[in-house]
Amino acid sequence: DTGVSQDPRHKITKRGQNVTFRCDPISEHNRLYWYRQTLGQGPEFLTYFQNEAQLEKSRLLSDRFSAERPKGSFSTLEIQRTEQGDSAMYLCASSPGLALAKNIQYFGAGTRLSVL
Amino acid sequence: DAKTTQPTSMDCAEGRAANLPCNHSTISGNEYVYWYRQIHSQGPQYIIHGLKNNETNEMASLIITEDRKSSTLILPHATLRDTAVYYCIVRVADSGNTPLVFGKGTRLSVIA
Repeated sequence: DTGVSQDPRHKITKRGQNVTFRCDPISEHNRLYWYRQTLGQGPEFLTYFQNEAQLEKSRLLSDRFSAERPKGSFSTLEIQRTEQGDSAMYLCASSPGLALAKNIQYFGAGTRLSVL
Repeated sequence: DAKTTQPTSMDCAEGRAANLPCNHSTISGNEYVYWYRQIHSQGPQYIIHGLKNNETNEMASLIITEDRKSSTLILPHATLRDTAVYYCIVRVADSGNTPLVFGKGTRLSVIA
């Protein structure tokens, strides 16, 4: 299967620890997005890459969060000094960067983070 | 904030058509209507999109009113596997610079 892959699927950590998630987009998709989803809410945008360049970050992305896409392929999202409020599903999506409305985003299954 | 309004939940009998409404009264001329759905414990899945004409694909049909202020997603023969949260999103047609803005969506329950 060549869909968006996220690892791990589940992560349990203690408050104050650092965690890192990985996203492997669909091959040759140059756009990669991170979203966060809390219970009962729709996904909320965090940040977005075009190739290796991080082009936009939302206000939700505090200074404890950092995302990278070093070679324009896979991406990592790191959360430092986790807090209980960071507990959520972290979703990754990729898109081919085609023109206009055909730029559909394809999502991975997400990483569910629980901060104790 | 999401620019759409959807009912919180709906039920549909298996085998019947599911009609999911969406209001987007402030939609701009260059904005498309997209529908995604999210099955429990999975990421959102693209269903269909349209600008002003009705659209149909293998998953669903999208009916957009002439004034473009509302739309309806139609699943012609709902199955239990269609139970999910359905999100209606309006988005500028661009090359991907605009992130998706999700609301809370409609939770569709397909009942046997």
